Amino acid sequence: DIQMTQSPLSLAASVGDRVTITCRTSQMISSYLNWYRQRPGKAPELLIYTTSSLRTGVPSRFRGSGSGTDFTLTIDSLQAEDFAIYYCQQSHLTPWTFGQGTKVEIK
Amino acid sequence: EVQLVESGGGLVQPGGSLRLSCKASGFTLNTYDMTWVRQAPGKGLEWVSTVSRSGDITYYADSVKGRFTISRDISKNTLYLQMNTLRGDDTAVYYCAKGQFGSGYPSSFGGLDVWGQGTTVSVSS
Repeated sequence: DIQMTQSPLSLAASVGDRVTITCRTSQMISSYLNWYRQRPGKAPELLIYTTSSLRTGVPSRFRGSGSGTDFTLTIDSLQAEDFAIYYCQQSHLTPWTFGQGTKVEIK
Repeated sequence: EVQLVESGGGLVQPGGSLRLSCKASGFTLNTYDMTWVRQAPGKGLEWVSTVSRSGDITYYADSVKGRFTISRDISKNTLYLQMNTLRGDDTAVYYCAKGQFGSGYPSSFGGLDVWGQGTTVSVSS
C-alpha cells in the first residue's frame, strides 16, 4: 500500500495568514494527488485534484503543487471557514490512501 | 442539483450485518465511479470500496474484503454497501462519494467531488 505522510499534523494560524501543508507519498503516484477540507461535523470537500487543478467553485486562495513523492497545499490569506482538517489522498493505485490529516486551528 | 443521501446506519452486534444505501440525484450512477469512505470516531478518512461506472469492476480495502460488497441498482439510482460479519473496528461514519469525471477519464483522475452527509454505523454488544 502507498503510505501518505502529512506534516504538520496541526498548526495554529490567524485569518489572513499563508498556510502550507505537505504530503509525502511512499512511492511515485503520477500526480494523482487530491486535497480535501473537512469542517467540523461535515463531509469532506474536494479542493484540489491531480496535484494542482483547482476544482470548479473553489476559491483561488487554494493552490496545489508538487511532483514525484512530495506535494504541497498552500492556502493564501486564510479565511474563517478554512479552520478545518485537511487531507491528502492518492488515487494512483488501490487501495486509495489518505494522509493522517492536518488540523488548522485559530491562533 | 447533484446530491447523495446515505441511509441504513445503526447499532448492530458484532458478527451482524447491515446494508447501507446511497440515493443519488442530479446524475446517473452508470456515468461515474462511486466510492465508500469511512471515518472512525475522532480518526481520519479510510477508503473502503469503489465500483466502476460500468458496474463490472469493484475494489475493496483489505480490511473489508470478503465481508463487504459494493453494488448498485441503476433503476433506483442507488448505491449500496452490504456489510457482513461486522466487527468493532467497523464502527464509523460511512460516506458515499462520486468520482468527479465520467467516461473518458480513468478512475484515478479527478478525486471525489460530491459526498453524502454520512451515516453512522456502531458495532457493539
